[in-house]
Amino acid sequence: AQSVTQPDIHITVSEGASLELRCNYSYGATPYLFWYVQSPGQGLQLLLKYFSGDTLVQGIKGFEAEFKRSQSSFNLRKPSVHWSDAAEYFCAVGLPSGGYQKVTFGTGTKLQVIP
Amino acid sequence: GAVVSQHPSRVICKSGTSVKIECRSLDFQATTMFWYRQFPKQSLMLMATSNEGSKATYEQGVEKDKFLINHASLTLSTLTVTSAHPEDSSFYICSAYRTGVNQPQHFGDGTRLSIL
Repeated sequence: AQSVTQPDIHITVSEGASLELRCNYSYGATPYLFWYVQSPGQGLQLLLKYFSGDTLVQGIKGFEAEFKRSQSSFNLRKPSVHWSDAAEYFCAVGLPSGGYQKVTFGTGTKLQVIP
Repeated sequence: GAVVSQHPSRVICKSGTSVKIECRSLDFQATTMFWYRQFPKQSLMLMATSNEGSKATYEQGVEKDKFLINHASLTLSTLTVTSAHPEDSSFYICSAYRTGVNQPQHFGDGTRLSIL
């Protein structure tokens, strides 16, 4: 079965600093990969997705992620963090299943942004 | 704007009550929807896959008689927590797929269920 690991439970960065959130997956083939963001008490918003093609994916809110097959990683990056980026971030893996994708989520990384 | 609407956003009720949560796809038809449960400070756990016009597929360990799922139309799936107890208190989130190639899931804003 596929699995997703987000090694950092909690990260604190200063506003304006760069950010990288780590994500590793375990699966025999290349899965679909996603990053979602969740604000407290809210649902999930899709930041970006990778299905195939260019391994550097651009998303919303200035985020990007790079798929590295050799490292089974899909790390999320942002060059300059804003206070409004404080939230919980989930990496997810999707595997084709009967016409859709069955998605497994990582345990999440909570991002705190300090002035 | 939101493409998946979930209602209600918050429910507080007494133990033994049954609670229905609705998940609607607003501008597309969704033959498949998903129901997740999220405990505090934890990730989302898939509870079941809701299929329009057929029975839901439940994940291992999820009681299908406890969590009734109905997907009667292409835009609406409902989750009913029957005879709810305090241990059922949680954040429930639904998602839906647009039909098409390489489409991601779109999530509702979730329902905070609190059983007293």
